[in-house]
Amino acid sequence: AQTVTQSQPEMSVQEAETVTLSCTYDTSESDYYLFWYKQPPSRQMILVIRQEAYKQQNATENRFSVNFQKAAKSFSLKISDSQLGDAAMYFCAYRRPVSGNTPLVFGKGTRLSVIA
Amino acid sequence: DGGITQSPKYLFRKEGQNVTLSCEQNLNHDAMYWYRQDPGQGLRLIYYSQIVNDFQKGDIAEGYSVSREKKESFPLTVTSAQKNPTAFYLCASSIGGRGRNQPQHFGDGTRLSIL
Repeated sequence: AQTVTQSQPEMSVQEAETVTLSCTYDTSESDYYLFWYKQPPSRQMILVIRQEAYKQQNATENRFSVNFQKAAKSFSLKISDSQLGDAAMYFCAYRRPVSGNTPLVFGKGTRLSVIA
Repeated sequence: DGGITQSPKYLFRKEGQNVTLSCEQNLNHDAMYWYRQDPGQGLRLIYYSQIVNDFQKGDIAEGYSVSREKKESFPLTVTSAQKNPTAFYLCASSIGGRGRNQPQHFGDGTRLSIL
């Protein structure tokens, strides 16, 4: 079974600085999909960024980017120019390549605090 | 606007009582999911359904039941057999078929507590 590990239960960053959240996963598949979700205090789950394993280019969405290392099974999230609104729980998630109907496997999350 | 509606937002259960959490989506998504969130545990899969009238158990299905009679609806029943039901429950949906890189969309959740 696939597993997702987020080794940092809590992180903090100064406003306007850069922070990187770690995620590793275990799979025997060669094709799969990876996601980062943000959960602010409202507890709504918000998609931050996604990555297809067959793409070598790292995904980028505005201030958010990933460092996808397929051989190392690593999928870290970098947040640049951190803002107070970035404070949230961040979850890394994996999905098998079968179809869009397969469930996500989530890590336990990293709580990010942003210091003004 | 299209989205997922979970109700109620807060729910209280008495000992020995079954309660049902509602989840409705108007996104025309094929698949729907139920996750349970506990502090420090992330999201764990309870049940999921890829098509109407079909569903599969997730990692923590014991004490829960579901139905999928309509594409739009996927209610979750927390039975009296679930001895520790206090948690935050999230419903999600996703498009199927070729949309393999499409994300899951989530509702706003239901907080279930024991009286």
